[in-house]
Amino acid sequence: GENVEQHPSTLSVQEGDSAVIKCTYSDSASNYFPWYKQELGKGPQLIIDIRSNVGEKKDQRIAVTLNKTAKHFSLHITETQPEDSAVYFCAASKGTGGFKTIFGAGTRLFVKA
Amino acid sequence: GAGVSQSPRYKVAKRGQDVALRCDPISGHVSLFWYQQALGQGPEFLTYFQNEAQLDKSGLPSDRFFAERPEGSVSTLKIQRTQQEDSAVYLCASSVGPVGPAYEQYFGPGTRLTVT
Repeated sequence: GENVEQHPSTLSVQEGDSAVIKCTYSDSASNYFPWYKQELGKGPQLIIDIRSNVGEKKDQRIAVTLNKTAKHFSLHITETQPEDSAVYFCAASKGTGGFKTIFGAGTRLFVKA
Repeated sequence: GAGVSQSPRYKVAKRGQDVALRCDPISGHVSLFWYQQALGQGPEFLTYFQNEAQLDKSGLPSDRFFAERPEGSVSTLKIQRTQQEDSAVYLCASSVGPVGPAYEQYFGPGTRLTVT
């Protein structure tokens, strides 16, 4: 069935360093790949997304890359700050023809000051 | 305007009780999603509404779970005869929708259900 695998499950970095989280998906029909940040006691919040017709997208300190052939996509956070500490989820969906969004298991990011 | 709101924020139910969880989506949003999030896991899709039509309920784990959105705005997720394995955070999300490329989903804060 549809599956999204995410790693690492926990990531600890020093403030100012970069953080990279990687995901793979199983359904080749997936065409929309959002990334969410979830803080304790809150719902997930979209931080960046990418569609299948684009290989890379950047928004300030955050970038996402997509390799459709390998069914991989990654989140890159540069110049990490303590407020980046949270759980990050990748997800995949097919958009038209199916609205089910499949989430990864999450990465808990710790940014040490 | 306001974001997605959910009530109650916390619910404790004894095993066997019925519960009803409410979601108020962003005004005007056509699409509404329900997810179940177990502790330490990612959200798992339960069901999707486009206006009042439930277009996908493939994620509902059993016939004890029922969702409705009768007027295309507020939605209720009902769980009958709750079991301990139903303990989780139930998230609601809405998006502009309705068709075409997937739209950004705005999530509510969730309802934490504990079944004792």
